[in-house]
Amino acid sequence: KQEVTQIPAALSVPEGENLVLNCSFTDSAIYNLQWFRQDPGKGLTSLLLIQSSQREQTSGRLNASLDKSSGRSTLYIAASQPGDSATYLCAVGKIKAAGNKLTFGGGTRVLVKP
Amino acid sequence: SQTIHQWPATLVQPVGSPLSLECTVEGTSNPNLYWYRQAAGRGLQLLFYSVGIGQISSEVPQNLSASRPQDRQFILSSKKLLLSDSGFYLCAWTGLAPSTGELFFGEGSRLTVL
Repeated sequence: KQEVTQIPAALSVPEGENLVLNCSFTDSAIYNLQWFRQDPGKGLTSLLLIQSSQREQTSGRLNASLDKSSGRSTLYIAASQPGDSATYLCAVGKIKAAGNKLTFGGGTRVLVKP
Repeated sequence: SQTIHQWPATLVQPVGSPLSLECTVEGTSNPNLYWYRQAAGRGLQLLFYSVGIGQISSEVPQNLSASRPQDRQFILSSKKLLLSDSGFYLCAWTGLAPSTGELFFGEGSRLTVL
C-alpha cells in the first residue's frame, strides 16, 4: 500500500526566502506525482504534474523534482511572497485498471511573513 | 473551457438525514470522475471513482454511495448520515487530457453532521 509523507507539517519563513517542501513515498512504481495548493476552506489547485519518466517540472517560481528510486519529490518556491501562504499537498498517482487514483500526503502548511 | 462545479458549498444536516452532493463538469465527454473526503486532522481519502456512466468503484466501505446518471454528473449520497460523515467533500476529474493522469478539483462541499 502506497504511503505518502510530507515533512515538515508546518513551515514559517520571512518574505523573500526560498521555500523547500518535501514529499516521500514508499512505492516507487508510480504513474505520476502532482503538487497542489489549498487555501483555507477551498478546493485544491494543481500546481505541477510530473510524469514518472520526468525528473522535474517548472512553472514560474515553482520547480518540482522527482527521484523515483529514492521515493522523493521536492517542491521549490523561489523568493516567497505572503500570497504563497497556503497548505501544499503532494499526491502520487497509480493507474489501476482504470482511472488514476491519487494517494495524498498530509500536507505542509506554509506561512510567509511580510 | 474546462470547469467543474460542486454544490451545495456548505450544508449542516442532522444525524439520520439523507445527503446528496452533486458534481458536474464541462468541456469534454466521458471524463474520469472522483469523490474525495478531507476530514479534520486527516488527509484526503478517495471514496469513489467512475470511468463512465453507471460505472462506480468504491474504495472504502462506508455509509455513502455514488452514482453517475449522466456522462458529466457525479452524485454522492447517503440514506442516513452519521456524525463521522462530517468533512470536506471534493469532486475531481481528469480534465481535457486524461492520458496525463492530472486531476483537477472542484471548490468542495463542507458537510457538518450534528
